[in-house]
Amino acid sequence: DVKVTQSSRYLVKRTGEKVFLECVQDMDHENMFWYRQDPGLGLRLIYFSYDVKMKEKGDIPEGYSVSREKKERFSLILESASTNQTSMYLCASSLGSGRAYNEQFFGPGTRLTVL
Amino acid sequence: AQKITQTQPGMFVQEKEAVTLDCTYDTSDQSYGLFWYKQPSSGEMIFLIYQGSYDEQNATEGRYSLNFQKARKSANLVISASQLGDSAMYFCAMREGSKAAGNKLTFGGGTRVLVKP
Repeated sequence: DVKVTQSSRYLVKRTGEKVFLECVQDMDHENMFWYRQDPGLGLRLIYFSYDVKMKEKGDIPEGYSVSREKKERFSLILESASTNQTSMYLCASSLGSGRAYNEQFFGPGTRLTVL
Repeated sequence: AQKITQTQPGMFVQEKEAVTLDCTYDTSDQSYGLFWYKQPSSGEMIFLIYQGSYDEQNATEGRYSLNFQKARKSANLVISASQLGDSAMYFCAMREGSKAAGNKLTFGGGTRVLVKP
């Protein structure tokens, strides 16, 4: 079974702090994604990566950056956390090709509160 | 305009009855895919079912079926014989373009389902 793990289930940070959210997948997936989930808005894509050291902006990249130094690991960075970044953050991964469809496999999520 | 619209924020369903969750989408691509995910209260996202834009048959997976009406741009999820464990948030999502273009997904706002015993 695919396993996607996230470093923390719950995180509390202060405004202005630098925050790192880590995601690791163990199935050699090419694609990795970071979403944030807010009530009524569903999941919104922040950044994604098709390969090591490659990244592309999603729909709401402002205030975030990412790093993918190894295939299995995709990090989301909040350079200076703000209260409007309080949210649930979900990481996902998927194969790059080879199937009729490539569903995304999700981690358990990190609920971040910025005070 | 929203690309994925789920008009039902929440709904109740009686155990053992069927329930239909609405999803409409907006795209100008000819090749696209539609996904449904379930999110129980524990938070994990569980993939349920997939429908490709060129698939002629409606997708089915066990008690889940997708009522795909391409001309109306709708992809409703039908859950038959509801169980208490079906209580969850359900998300519709779309991948635009071919699979080769990558599988970025756009999600709807979700529908919360509560199954009553």
